[in-house]
Amino acid sequence: AQSVTQLGSHVSVSEGALVLLRCNYSSSVPPYLFWYVQYPNQGLQLLLKYTSAATLVKGINGFEAEFKKSETSFHLTKPSAHMSDAAEYFCAVSGPGGAQKLVFGQGTRLTINP
Amino acid sequence: DGGITQSPKYLFRKEGQNVTLSCEQNLNHDAMYWYRQDPGQGLRLIYYSQIVNDFQKGDIAEGYSVSREKKESFPLTVTSAQKNPTAFYLCASSVWGETQYFGPGTRLLVL
Repeated sequence: AQSVTQLGSHVSVSEGALVLLRCNYSSSVPPYLFWYVQYPNQGLQLLLKYTSAATLVKGINGFEAEFKKSETSFHLTKPSAHMSDAAEYFCAVSGPGGAQKLVFGQGTRLTINP
Repeated sequence: DGGITQSPKYLFRKEGQNVTLSCEQNLNHDAMYWYRQDPGQGLRLIYYSQIVNDFQKGDIAEGYSVSREKKESFPLTVTSAQKNPTAFYLCASSVWGETQYFGPGTRLLVL
């Protein structure tokens, strides 16, 4: 069965600092992996996805993630945090055969300090 | 402008009452999904539908029901059997097997 672990329910960084949100997955088959962002009282917005092409995936708003099969990780990074990045971030892994059944991590709340 | 709409934004349920949450999409997606979000627990799948007139239980279907009579619509009913309905409910749609896109959500509160 697929599972996702996001390390750290809360992450706080200063404006302009590196953002690193950690995601480790477990999957019995080659996975599809996703990062979504959620602003307060809103739905989820897709940041980026990995679907077995390039291992370094670039997304919206300057975010990127690297798929590392040996470490079963898909960490999300951004070189320089902006106040508007404050939100909750979810990592998700698909089941076999595609993205029709997603398993989500618990989420990481990112706070940006001025 | 294509997208997913959910209504209402806030919904209040009295004890013993069934309530229905609306989800509509104009993305021409075949698949639609309902998730429940509780603080600190991520999203959990309630029901999903691959095509019209067909739907499958997800991980936490007890106390919920759905219908899929039209491609564009996938309403969720929270029945009186759901003893802890307070949560944020999210609807999503996709081409089957492809990326899921989410609506803005409905927050259900119990009076």
